[in-house]
Amino acid sequence: DQQVKQNSPSLSVQEGRISILNCDYTNSMFDYFLWYKKYPAEGPTFLISISSIKDKNEDGRFTVFLNKSAKHLSLHIVPSQPGDSAVYFCAASANQFYFGTGTSLTVIP
Amino acid sequence: DAGVIQSPRHEVTEMGQEVTLRCKPISGHDYLFWYRQTMMRGLELLIYFNNNVPIDDSGMPEDRFSAKMPNASFSTLKIQPSEPRDSAVYFCASSEGNSNQPQHFGDGTRLSIL
Repeated sequence: DQQVKQNSPSLSVQEGRISILNCDYTNSMFDYFLWYKKYPAEGPTFLISISSIKDKNEDGRFTVFLNKSAKHLSLHIVPSQPGDSAVYFCAASANQFYFGTGTSLTVIP
Repeated sequence: DAGVIQSPRHEVTEMGQEVTLRCKPISGHDYLFWYRQTMMRGLELLIYFNNNVPIDDSGMPEDRFSAKMPNASFSTLKIQPSEPRDSAVYFCASSEGNSNQPQHFGDGTRLSIL
């Protein structure tokens, strides 16, 4: 049973606009959350993380929001760039990491 | 610095053959993880090691799968005998910590069992 879910397999956004990727989880014991970015034929690359004691973490164009009551995580990319086109995985951990199935983001020039 | 190195990048073999996937973690990382990626289930943890010792292998699908880490700089994932349903991309990752540190992934091995 998937403990981390990314319900949108794909997302298309115009260059310069905001990309919002969503992730839901079921285990209230998760205390650390991450987003990874993956290009074709490469391994996932760590993008940004957030601890459960925070509700927001920002790194340049990337911001991760955590809503613990809703068990919901989101990644905002502003402004979106064509180079952001990739598959994005969210992950959550208690004693080990659980990954979502990924959302493929396409940024249209 | 070199990242996690996996070999081979691609493997095509016939059903019933033994398959060995290899991984060199980042130097100094105490944790090593093996994942399998499929369309349906995303990234699934198969097994992880801490200081070369297997800690949790509950994700290993069946006895046909085995993993070893003979030293801090090398690990193998073996499938014997292989079956078509084992076809997937297998990733190795390493980290300095278990559940509170990002993992660094290799570029994966794309395995096709005919």
